[in-house]
Amino acid sequence: GAVVSQHPSRVICKSGTSVKIECRSLDFQATTMFWYRQFPKQSLMLMATSNEGSKATYEQGVEKDKFLINHASLTLSTLTVTSAHPEDSSFYICSARFGTGGISFFGQGTRLTVV
Amino acid sequence: AQSVAQPEDQVNVAEGNPLTVKCTYSVSGNPYLFWYVQYPNRGLQFLLKYITGDNLVKGSYGFEAEFNKSQTSFHLKKPSALVSDSALYFCAVRDIDQGGKLIFGQGTELSVKP
Repeated sequence: GAVVSQHPSRVICKSGTSVKIECRSLDFQATTMFWYRQFPKQSLMLMATSNEGSKATYEQGVEKDKFLINHASLTLSTLTVTSAHPEDSSFYICSARFGTGGISFFGQGTRLTVV
Repeated sequence: AQSVAQPEDQVNVAEGNPLTVKCTYSVSGNPYLFWYVQYPNRGLQFLLKYITGDNLVKGSYGFEAEFNKSQTSFHLKKPSALVSDSALYFCAVRDIDQGGKLIFGQGTELSVKP
């Protein structure tokens, strides 16, 4: 299948700082990228959907000013967690898809720990 | 609204035995159904999908799933389980009305013992 690379795989940051997570589609053009959050032993919670060149669509209850999403090119989307707090500690996963009918391929995830 | 349900939090199987991980769905219109597998601290890997066509769909690593419209089910199966199949499995449906985002079930943890 297609390859989606997510970086970093693990990050520890201090409370109040910002963290940027990158999601790259390596061998296809991702017209749409998705960002998820996952708590231990739980399902994926969709945070936002981003289409290349346009503003992200956030799910209800997700603070767009706190979780900044940029999808500047067809191969890169970034999620910036601003002013991180310990409750933001979680596993963040991106996925990328070409077109509306394509399969979504997932990055390997980023374990964020805010101390 | 589209939804999927995985009624079992955990499934335990002995190595070499057949396995089934259950999924039921609720959609308006034709369902677009998927199975993904997640290993610890990793992203999701695509296993298989049903869009249209044969009800029995074959996927990666020897997995298959049967689409049953009358029972609104899409159970994942494998004839002979391996210890390495132990992981978290997610069923998902594509929500065509909302930009094609995936709606995931709650996940089923499969444990295969030697």
